[in-house]
Amino acid sequence: AQTVTQSQPEMSVQEAETVTLSCTYDTSENNYYLFWYKQPPSRQMILVIRQEAYKQQNATENRFSVNFQKAAKSFSLKISDSQLGDTAMYFCAFMKQRRGAQKLVFGQGTRLTINP
Amino acid sequence: KAGVTQTPRYLIKTRGQQVTLSCSPISGHRSVSWYQQTPGQGLQFLFEYFSETQRNKGNFPGRFSGRQFSNSRSEMNVSTLELGDSALYLCASSSWTEAYNEQFFGPGTRLTVL
Repeated sequence: AQTVTQSQPEMSVQEAETVTLSCTYDTSENNYYLFWYKQPPSRQMILVIRQEAYKQQNATENRFSVNFQKAAKSFSLKISDSQLGDTAMYFCAFMKQRRGAQKLVFGQGTRLTINP
Repeated sequence: KAGVTQTPRYLIKTRGQQVTLSCSPISGHRSVSWYQQTPGQGLQFLFEYFSETQRNKGNFPGRFSGRQFSNSRSEMNVSTLELGDSALYLCASSSWTEAYNEQFFGPGTRLTVL
């Protein structure tokens, strides 16, 4: 079974700072996807960024980037130039890369607060 | 395109009752997944339906069941409600046209069991 661990229950930074959220996972699969989802107070789950395990290049989406270390099973999210709208719960998630495998396995989440 | 819709948004029930939650996926999406979110257990996968068939199932008791209709709308049913069933229930739909299919989440149904 796959497990996802987020060791930082809460984090708080000032606006415009850079923040890194940590995530480790455990799996025996070789092909899989990793995700970071954002859940603001509205509770709507929003995909922030996705990484395919077979890709060595780290994914980036504007101010969001990841540091994917496959051997270490580590997948951290870096938010640059943080904004007040980044305040949310952030979940790291895992999904097997297999046709029909639509199950997401989530970490416990990190509550991120961006202070003005 | 309209997003994933869930009804009702809020629900209050008492122990022992049963409840049905509904999820309408994005038009054209054929896969619908359900997740339970609680403060203690976090986000847990319940089940996934594709073309009216349950394709994946999480580790929940038989009181939790679901179905999918020919128009891809899905319902989730919880019978004999327990206090611990109080949670945010999220559904997600995906198109299942490629190896990777992003899951788009609905706003959730907040269930409170008294």
